[in-house]
Amino acid sequence: DIVMTQTPLSSPVTLGQPASISCRSSQSLVHSDGNTYLSWLQQRPGQPPRLLIYKISNRFSGVPDRFSGSGAGTDFTLKISRVEAEDVGVYYCTQATQFPWTFGQGTKVEIK
Amino acid sequence: QLQLQESGPGLVKPSETLSLTCTVSGGSISSSSYYWGWIRQPPGKGLEWIGSIYYSGSTYYNPSLKSRVTISVDTSKNQFSLKLSSVTAADTAVYYCARLDAWGQGTLVTVSS
Repeated sequence: DIVMTQTPLSSPVTLGQPASISCRSSQSLVHSDGNTYLSWLQQRPGQPPRLLIYKISNRFSGVPDRFSGSGAGTDFTLKISRVEAEDVGVYYCTQATQFPWTFGQGTKVEIK
Repeated sequence: QLQLQESGPGLVKPSETLSLTCTVSGGSISSSSYYWGWIRQPPGKGLEWIGSIYYSGSTYYNPSLKSRVTISVDTSKNQFSLKLSSVTAADTAVYYCARLDAWGQGTLVTVSS
């Protein structure tokens, strides 16, 4: 199984300041079709997860442009340019390159 | 807009089979190349992928659960289903059906006698 490791596990952030979450996979996420199926999910308190970013850097419909994804191979990053109150929650990276699909442990973003 | 909704018992006895159904609206479950899946989240913990079914009917399961899991699809009802046998307290979780870009609200299933 591909192990997804996120850092940090907790990120206290001041409103309006940036936040960054790292996700590392135990093996390359480049699929044989050339795509890298690395996504980022946001889970607000009491809500189901929601897709933010797919294939490393593509923002899903309706996702604010303060969210951005980057990376390649085994190292990926989610950045929030200016954290807003509605961004509080847990963020997960997930890979769908290889079965079984796996998730990172989650990073809790909270306001200082 | 694609919507998914889980349904099924909220309480299951140990050793019995957990059965959930996901009803899809706003799109056809068989019309395009998507994986439809089940993911669970124990209280206060992270996400665990249970398995997925491709629009063609092919299934893929988490090896840690494979011996107990069956996912099936009913295209006539635009639904797909999860069966998890021989449940224990460790299977207590919120169960989500999802297509990665669209998630149900989740349903809490408690395993208890």
